[in-house]
Amino acid sequence: QVTLRESGPALVKPTQTLTLTCTFSGFSLSTSGMCVSWIRQPPGKALEWLARIDWDDDKYYSTSLKTRLTISKDTSKNQVVLTMTNMDPVDTATYYCARYNWGSRYFDYWGQGTLVTVSS
Amino acid sequence: QSALTQPASVSGSPGQSITISCTGTSSDVGGYNYVSWYQHHPGKAPKFMIYEVSNRPSGVSNRFSGSKSGNTASLTISGLQAEDEADYYCTSYTSSNTLAFGGGTKLTVL
Repeated sequence: QVTLRESGPALVKPTQTLTLTCTFSGFSLSTSGMCVSWIRQPPGKALEWLARIDWDDDKYYSTSLKTRLTISKDTSKNQVVLTMTNMDPVDTATYYCARYNWGSRYFDYWGQGTLVTVSS
Repeated sequence: QSALTQPASVSGSPGQSITISCTGTSSDVGGYNYVSWYQHHPGKAPKFMIYEVSNRPSGVSNRFSGSKSGNTASLTISGLQAEDEADYYCTSYTSSNTLAFGGGTKLTVL
């Protein structure tokens, strides 16, 4: 059974760095074809893809946010970490991690999401 | 602004059919058969409904179907039910090896 769970601070101040952790089970990120992405949804707005890390440690970022994002994985802990620098109130959103099916290019399992509020 | 264009809202009565469009470019929707659709009830994790344009995963009702013509993909829901009321998002693989999301469509079952 595949599960993913996001964790991190619920509140961060403007200019701070956000660190989110996705802890997953039911698959290994060292297995060929396995990938994990981060997606966010600001309140009342659309889903937005942020980043992806693949089994071979290839990394991909949203063009508009790539200067602020870093994605990494710890295969031994079954975790993927996303850091976003210079947080702003517009970054207030629910952040999801999801497993990405590389073969068919879709998200087959999602976490429940974690709400991050950026406010002083 | 989202990379893929969807109508902000659609509505239909129970039993009717509706179609949600998703328009991109030749660098995403038109260039690959990697369009997927997600159903999102507020407060819950999104659920994938269609992958590779028209494939339905096991467990998804056959009332949901997908298609594509040129740079526009479509999701059709037939026999609308109250439980179908949700937000729907399309995504497409892109030439940059990234994912583009649509802006989302709110489906209201009247």
